[in-house]
Amino acid sequence: QKEVEQNSGPLSVPEGAIASLNCTYSDRGSQSFFWYRQYSGKSPELIMFIYSNGDKEDGRFTAQLNKASQYVSLLIRDSQPSDSATYLCAVNWGNQFYFGTGTSLTVIP
Amino acid sequence: NAGVMQNPRHLVRRRGQEARLRCSPMKGHSHVYWYRQLPEEGLKFMVYLQKENIIDESGMPKERFSAEFPKEGPSILRIQQVVRGDSAAYFCASSHTGSYNEQFFGPGTRLTVL
Repeated sequence: QKEVEQNSGPLSVPEGAIASLNCTYSDRGSQSFFWYRQYSGKSPELIMFIYSNGDKEDGRFTAQLNKASQYVSLLIRDSQPSDSATYLCAVNWGNQFYFGTGTSLTVIP
Repeated sequence: NAGVMQNPRHLVRRRGQEARLRCSPMKGHSHVYWYRQLPEEGLKFMVYLQKENIIDESGMPKERFSAEFPKEGPSILRIQQVVRGDSAAYFCASSHTGSYNEQFFGPGTRLTVL
């Protein structure tokens, strides 16, 4: 049974702080990892993807992957109120993409 | 530069009717995935298709649900004899080359079964 686990939150951070979102997965055969942002009532929007161990930075976002420990994280620097959303972690195995249930983030002005 | 398109955006059906959901992938994308999202739950994989082929339908219920992606036209997810438990948001995503490649989601179809 392949599982993707996320802390459902809610996670609250003050504006300008760093938000840290974590995700663990059950199968070492996983191939690629994705972070999506989903606003209430909207569709998921791709933020970042990462394939290799280490860090990948894109603007205010940094994805971190540790395959040995089977976790992937997303850091959001200088958090803004517009970052308030649910963040979904997705892991690719073979043909399928498995999604966590998401972490709800609220950035407090 | 159209993204993934889905229609209708909202669909209301009575129990026992059929629901047909359409998805047009991004230009240049030939891989389509369908997901279902229940309130307060995560996205659940249903089916993965390429043009004229079903690659993986392991996430789709064996009865009443079917999907296709014809050579011409959009991908269609069909739900026959809908029940109240089918009420959910159904999202389509497309990618350029399938595995390893990021998916881009359409706006979804919100199905309500009365």
